Amino acid sequence: AQKITQTQPGMFVQEKEAVTLDCTYDTSDQSYGLFWYKQPSSGEMIFLIYQGSYDEQNATEGRYSLNFQKARKSANLVISASQLGDSAMYFCAMRSLSNDYKLSFGAGTTVTVRA
Amino acid sequence: NAGVTQTPKFRVLKTGQSMTLLCAQDMNHEYMYWYRQDPGMGLRLIHYSVGEGTTAKGEVPDGYNVSRLKKQNFLLGLESAAPSQTSVYFCASSYGRTREQYFGPGTRLTVT
Repeated sequence: AQKITQTQPGMFVQEKEAVTLDCTYDTSDQSYGLFWYKQPSSGEMIFLIYQGSYDEQNATEGRYSLNFQKARKSANLVISASQLGDSAMYFCAMRSLSNDYKLSFGAGTTVTVRA
Repeated sequence: NAGVTQTPKFRVLKTGQSMTLLCAQDMNHEYMYWYRQDPGMGLRLIHYSVGEGTTAKGEVPDGYNVSRLKKQNFLLGLESAAPSQTSVYFCASSYGRTREQYFGPGTRLTVT
């Protein structure tokens, strides 16, 4: 079974600063994918970034980067130069690429960006 | 290109009533999914489909049924609603099973 743990229920960050959201996972699979989604107060789920377990380089998408440490089973999201529009709930998710279609989600971290 | 749409956006049901939630996608995706989101629990997979005419159970399938008669549509049914099914329901689709999933706007369902 897969399990995603996000230990930070809520975080505050100053505008223009960077913030790191923690995500650890537990799986016995060798091949898997890690995802981060953003859910603003309007409710939609927005895909941010993807990291494959065999990718050697950390994924980056604009101001988002994923700090992937496979041995520690962690996939932290770093948001650089925070903006007020980054205030939202952020979910880490994982999916086995070998034998399961399920996307397993963590409980989420709420980020509030202060001006 | 509307992406993933869901109908309705809000619904209130009495215990024992039935309803169907409709999900439609115009991206020609093979894979479609239904999730529910409850406070403090993230999203949990109810049912999914890997192609037209196929469905499979997810993590929390009890009390729900699904159908995928057309590739672009995925229906979620509640035959006899219970208060425990009060939740926000999200539909999602993806091109392949390893790719990112695109989500609809959600349906907020309250069962009294």
